[in-house]
Amino acid sequence: QSALTQPASVSGSPGQSITISCTGTSSDVGGYHYVSWYQHHPGKAPKLMIYDVRMRPSGVSNRFSGSKSGNTASLTISGLQAEDEADYYCSSYTSSSTWVFGGGTKLTVL
Amino acid sequence: QLRLQESGPGLVKPSETLSLICTVSGGSSTNYYWGWIRQPPGKGLEWIGTIYYSGNTYYNPSLKSRLTISVDTSKNQFSLNLSSVTAADTAVYYCARRSCYLCGHDFWGQGTLVTVSS
Repeated sequence: QSALTQPASVSGSPGQSITISCTGTSSDVGGYHYVSWYQHHPGKAPKLMIYDVRMRPSGVSNRFSGSKSGNTASLTISGLQAEDEADYYCSSYTSSSTWVFGGGTKLTVL
Repeated sequence: QLRLQESGPGLVKPSETLSLICTVSGGSSTNYYWGWIRQPPGKGLEWIGTIYYSGNTYYNPSLKSRLTISVDTSKNQFSLNLSSVTAADTAVYYCARRSCYLCGHDFWGQGTLVTVSS
């Protein structure tokens, strides 16, 4: 299974919105409604931000939202804050009943 | 509050077996899925595998021939064994929980660095 494709980096200023894409195939992202997004501050445990494409776990800010179109899922962060600076990973269920992660995207808040 | 803690050797020799244990505290290990994820230095996350508390396992195909994940609900622990390791297996290893197999990992350990070197 190949890793999902994410941009290596994105950046935005405080208060702005950014979107991180996650591209797979019809055998993973495009075929199922089971895409998750994780926020990872280096040296800390990753945190689940979105599951089932667009669902937010309790306690996650509504500034984080997820969507999907075809084989590409997206994570949008609105009202960027300094604390949002982190690495973000998508993950998808696959037709082999396994899971695959994206390569990760480094978000810089300017 | 649920807490997951990885433990095991930080250094493993090439060709030997990497063994880690994840201890679950502050909650039960039953009725959940438990998994392992790793992050090689400077690289992204890689799903290793998942086990249901009853023992059903799901493995990354690229690691399956070398991988064993097991669970001991009486000790609230689950373990990872990866045989015939090489330098490519050097990574921070995380354990994590899923509420269902199709759910995201909602609780994670802090991770433990395992280096493969002679």
